[in-house]
Amino acid sequence: DAEITQSPRHKITETGRQVTLACHQTWNHNNMFWYRQDLGHGLRLIHYSYGVQDTNKGEVSDGYSVSRSNTEDLPLTLESAASSQTSVYFCASSESGDRGTEAFFGQGTRLTVV
Amino acid sequence: DQQVKQNSPSLSVQEGRISILNCDYTNSMFDYFLWYKKYPAEGPTFLISISSIKDKNEDGRFTVFLNKSAKHLSLHIVPSQPGDSAVYFCAASPIIQGAQKLVFGQGTRLTINP
Repeated sequence: DAEITQSPRHKITETGRQVTLACHQTWNHNNMFWYRQDLGHGLRLIHYSYGVQDTNKGEVSDGYSVSRSNTEDLPLTLESAASSQTSVYFCASSESGDRGTEAFFGQGTRLTVV
Repeated sequence: DQQVKQNSPSLSVQEGRISILNCDYTNSMFDYFLWYKKYPAEGPTFLISISSIKDKNEDGRFTVFLNKSAKHLSLHIVPSQPGDSAVYFCAASPIIQGAQKLVFGQGTRLTINP
């Protein structure tokens, strides 16, 4: 069965460290997204990609970067981790086209910055 | 600027009764709406959606209603079951060819009491 997986599931890192969260999907979807979930804010879009070599900033992109070198993967990098980036991170993917935008989510990565 | 708002952080309903979750949006360009359900330590899962050309969509115990003039949608769950206890996110998307992303509300925690 096709799926979307995130790793690691839990990560503790120190302030100032570079951290990369992995996202891998086997749906062969063109669209991939990174969200963070925080209490009172719901899910906020960090970065997204509509295909290989395409990346775009979302509403909370400061301090984060992504790259898309193939269809399956969209790693999220925190260049210099800050305590404000302690959160739960979700990766998602969806088909492109006019069919609507049901997105499939990974199980999440809980990141703690100490 | 919160484009999608769920003003009730929590809702408690008796088993067997109707649960009604509400969502408001501000962006007139949104024309596809989705509800996601999220259990603790899991990623959100798609529940039901509605296009702006409709005002109602039904799937088993779940019905979504859309009032475009009021920029309001609601999710009805009848009858409510204990397994429905979860956080529900409303999401909206503009349909632009090949350019799809979801904007989420803050979520409503639904608790079904036996």
